[in-house]
Amino acid sequence: EIVMTQSPATLSVSPGEGATLSCRASQSVSSNLAWYQQKPGQAPRLLIYGASTRATGIPARFSGSGSGTEFTLTISSLQSEDFAVYYCQQYNNWPRTFGQGTKVEIK
Amino acid sequence: EVQLLESGGGLVQPGGSLRLSCAASGFTFSSYAMTWVRQAPGKGLECVSSISDTGGSTLYADSVKGRFTVSRDNSKNTLFLQMNTLRAEDTAVYYCARAGPYYLAYWGQGTLVTVSS
Repeated sequence: EIVMTQSPATLSVSPGEGATLSCRASQSVSSNLAWYQQKPGQAPRLLIYGASTRATGIPARFSGSGSGTEFTLTISSLQSEDFAVYYCQQYNNWPRTFGQGTKVEIK
Repeated sequence: EVQLLESGGGLVQPGGSLRLSCAASGFTFSSYAMTWVRQAPGKGLECVSSISDTGGSTLYADSVKGRFTVSRDNSKNTLFLQMNTLRAEDTAVYYCARAGPYYLAYWGQGTLVTVSS
């Protein structure tokens, strides 16, 4: 099983500032990496797939990069609606595995 | 608009069974693989099971293999998860999700399964 490790666990950011979230895979997943956003009481929402392709309707302030084992999600200027938990997921192998999540909170 | 609506959750005793359903609309259901993902209270996400578009191929997490069975009825646009021999650690919100084709493009709102005596 591929283990996905996200860092940091919690990120405190002021509105308008940028945020960088990291995700590391225990073995290469090529570019088969997705990012999801989850708000309290809601289902996750797809943000990024293929490591860097924004899903339909996702604002341009969200960007993804990386390949192999190291990935990054960047939010260029945090809006109030962006404070949430973010998960990375590899879909290169079964079982599909998620990171433990990074909570982005208001500073 | 893609819609996924789970149902069938509830309180069940350890060792009991439950069958979850996921009604799909807004897309050609028979063209997409589907996945069940669960989230224990306050915890992260776990892919439980996946089924191909025709239903001919299924995959399971080790934690549920031999106890859970995924199936689908393409004539009724519905996905199922039969859960047997339930344990306390199966307590979670269960989401169905549509593949896109391999990542999880659309998610339902989830149904809560509580395993407790």
